[in-house]
Amino acid sequence: DSGVTQTPKHLITATGQRVTLRCSPRSGDLSVYWYQQSLDQGLQFLIHYYNGEERAKGNILERFSAQQFPDLHSELNLSSLELGDSALYFCASSVGSGKLGSANEKLFFGSGTQLSVL
Amino acid sequence: SQQGEEDPQALSIQEGENATMNCSYKTSINNLQWYRQNSGRGLVHLILIRSNEREKHSGRLRVTLDTSKKSSSLLITASRAADTASYFCAVPRGGAGSYQLTFGKGTKLSVIP
Repeated sequence: DSGVTQTPKHLITATGQRVTLRCSPRSGDLSVYWYQQSLDQGLQFLIHYYNGEERAKGNILERFSAQQFPDLHSELNLSSLELGDSALYFCASSVGSGKLGSANEKLFFGSGTQLSVL
Repeated sequence: SQQGEEDPQALSIQEGENATMNCSYKTSINNLQWYRQNSGRGLVHLILIRSNEREKHSGRLRVTLDTSKKSSSLLITASRAADTASYFCAVPRGGAGSYQLTFGKGTKLSVIP
């Protein structure tokens, strides 16, 4: 058990809908990262939050947004869903900020949310 | 982007054999990490090697790093059926100055009992 909790584990919805994925990081971890994993694209970095602030954006669509709350849990909101958004969405956490010098910044991954858009 | 690329994409070996996976990347890094993913589950960190290290061991795992060739290899010795998983290398996004990890598409290892 990594200590990172993601809910729900599975989500089935229809095109055009909006969903919210939730992540609780390991106790003491201030950074939360979101990744999307699909068969054709592999594991894609979406966004990074540190202590409530957005730190970096990756390949995140404008239809997607995220936030990190004062209690450090994070939510990823996906709207106007398309068939191609079907994927496994992972949250990962780490202790540090992600800046240069964080040489021991290994990530702890949750078990993911499997999103199916029908 | 700073994405590691694993090779081969898939590898099938008999239990007891050694498995070697390779990773290539594009620009300078301050470290490289390897992760394992069992089918449909979250990734698990295996080992981190810093840019000033050439080799690192952890149990049956041996990782090498050649910064001149921008490549790394992961060796699993005396493989077991439980080693069946996908293995990913991860490098910092944007190069040595940032730390959002980017992953390759992985090597899918099958260990046949």
